[in-house]
Amino acid sequence: AQSVTQLDSQVPVFEEAPVELRCNYSSSVSVYLFWYVQYPNQGLQLLLKYLSGSTLVKGINGFEAEFNKSQTSFHLRKPSVHISDTAEYFCAVSDIRSQGNLIFGKGTKLSVKP
Amino acid sequence: DSGVTQTPKHLITATGQRVTLRCSPRSGDLSVYWYQQSLDQGLQFLIQYYNGEERAKGNILERFSAQQFPDLHSELNLSSLELGDSALYFCASSVVGAGDTQYFGPGTRLTVL
Repeated sequence: AQSVTQLDSQVPVFEEAPVELRCNYSSSVSVYLFWYVQYPNQGLQLLLKYLSGSTLVKGINGFEAEFNKSQTSFHLRKPSVHISDTAEYFCAVSDIRSQGNLIFGKGTKLSVKP
Repeated sequence: DSGVTQTPKHLITATGQRVTLRCSPRSGDLSVYWYQQSLDQGLQFLIQYYNGEERAKGNILERFSAQQFPDLHSELNLSSLELGDSALYFCASSVVGAGDTQYFGPGTRLTVL
């Protein structure tokens, strides 16, 4: 079975500052890794995913994440945040042998202040 | 707009009742997933269908059931509703399965009074 831990439930940050949202996972098998964003009163939208290959993954809206197998981490970063990045961010994993169902972390609420 | 539609947007009902949530996947997607989002449990996978057949089951209660029809739309049936079933129910679709991007609908907010 897999599990996902998002280490920070809330992250406040000022506009134009860098941000890192942390995600650690636990799994006895190989997994695919995902970051989704949920804006207020909306569904989830994929930011980026890691399937294989380069451990640095670039996504939409200037976000990137790095897969670290030894640390079982997949932290999300953005060098300079905007007010519009205020949202909840979810890290998720999927067993590569599965039908694709996602196991989500509890989410991190990113609050960008002017 | 993800291309996944869900109806209704909001549903308010009483304990003991039965409701049906509907999902239409993106054009071309064969897999449909149902997830429940609640404050205490977070986002949990319920069930997945692929081209009309059940493929994976998660933390879905026996009071809940789902199906996927020949036109690939899916319905989630919730019966004998309890207060604790109040949640946001999301449908997602993907082309096939593992590794594919899942596109989420806007969700159905269920309130059980």
